[in-house]
Amino acid sequence: DVVMTQTPVSLSLAIGQPASISCKSSQSLVHSDGKTYLSWILQRPGQSPKRLIYLVSKLDSGVPDRFSGSGSETEFTLKISRVEAEDLGVYYCWQATHFPYTFGAGTKLELK
Amino acid sequence: EVQLVESGGVLVQPGRSMKLSCAASGFTFSSFPMAWVRQAPTKGLEWVATISTSGGSTYYRDSVKGRFTISRDNAKSTLYLQMDSLRSEDTATYYCTLFAYWGQGTLVTVSS
Repeated sequence: DVVMTQTPVSLSLAIGQPASISCKSSQSLVHSDGKTYLSWILQRPGQSPKRLIYLVSKLDSGVPDRFSGSGSETEFTLKISRVEAEDLGVYYCWQATHFPYTFGAGTKLELK
Repeated sequence: EVQLVESGGVLVQPGRSMKLSCAASGFTFSSFPMAWVRQAPTKGLEWVATISTSGGSTYYRDSVKGRFTISRDNAKSTLYLQMDSLRSEDTATYYCTLFAYWGQGTLVTVSS
């Protein structure tokens, strides 16, 4: 199985500060079709997950452009340019290139 | 508006069976592969199964292979998860997902 290693485990930031979350996979996430099926998901407290980014860097509809995704092969990053109160929750990276699909363990973003 | 509404989660004894349903609306259900993802209490996300658009291809994580069956009825825009031989470790909130969209989840508790 592809192991997704997320760091840090938690982040405590003030509103307006930038955030960066790393996700490393144990093998390349480039699919045989040439696409890289790496997504980022946010789960706010008490809510179901919501996808923010897919195919490494494409923002889902309605996601603020303060979010950005980058990376390739086995190393990926989610960045928030300026954290806002609505951004708190747990962020997961998720690969859908190889079965079984696997998630990172999550990064909890708390507001300072 | 895309809506995914899960149902069927209850308290069940180990070894028994249960069937979850997910009613979809707001998109052309038959055009998209679908999946079930679960989350044990206070834990992270875990992919369970995926089904192709026609239902002709299904994929499972090893721990549920042979016990769970994912299926779909495109005429009814409904996704199913038949769960047999349930174990305590299957206790979780089960989410129906289109990958871009997630339902609110249904709680399955396996306990004697």
